[in-house]
Amino acid sequence: DIMLTQSPATLSVTPGESISLSCRASQSISTNLHWYQQKPNESPRVLIRYASQTISGIPSRFSGSGSGTDFTLNINRVEPEDFSVYYCQQSNGWPRTFGSGTKLEIK
Amino acid sequence: EVQLQQSGPELQRPGASVKLSCKASGYTFTEYYMYWVKQRPKQSLEFIGRIDPEDGSTDYVEKFKNKATLTADTSSNTAYMQLSSLTSEDTATYFCAMGIDYWGQGVMVTVSS
Repeated sequence: DIMLTQSPATLSVTPGESISLSCRASQSISTNLHWYQQKPNESPRVLIRYASQTISGIPSRFSGSGSGTDFTLNINRVEPEDFSVYYCQQSNGWPRTFGSGTKLEIK
Repeated sequence: EVQLQQSGPELQRPGASVKLSCKASGYTFTEYYMYWVKQRPKQSLEFIGRIDPEDGSTDYVEKFKNKATLTADTSSNTAYMQLSSLTSEDTATYFCAMGIDYWGQGVMVTVSS
């Protein structure tokens, strides 16, 4: 199975800062990588599809990049509502897998 | 509008079984896999398996092969997951998901004596 390693596990930032979250795959997955945000007691919400595809209704401050094994989610000027947990997921065949998540917290 | 409506919370005894449902609407049920995902408290997400509603074929993650059974009823556009021989390790929230974008609201299963 393909393992996804997310870093850092926790990131403490001040609103208004710009940040990057990392997701590394154990083997090449092309651009079959998606980013989710999950708030407490909610379902995950997709932010970025296929590494860099933006989604209607998702704020433009979220962007993604990468291919192969290294991927990045960028948040330009973090807003208060962005403090939550972020997961990456790969869909390069079966089984699909998730990373362990990055918790974005207020400094 | 695509919607996945899951059944309500469950409290079950160890050793029991439980069947969860996920009713789909807003798209053609038979055209997309339905996935099931487990999330233990304060933990990450993990896939359990998927079902092709068109023909009922299933794929499971190895660790769930003797735990979960996926089925689908095309007459009611509903996917089901049965969990057997419940233990405290099965206490979790279970989501159904279609594709990348669409998720049910999740159902909390608590296993306790």
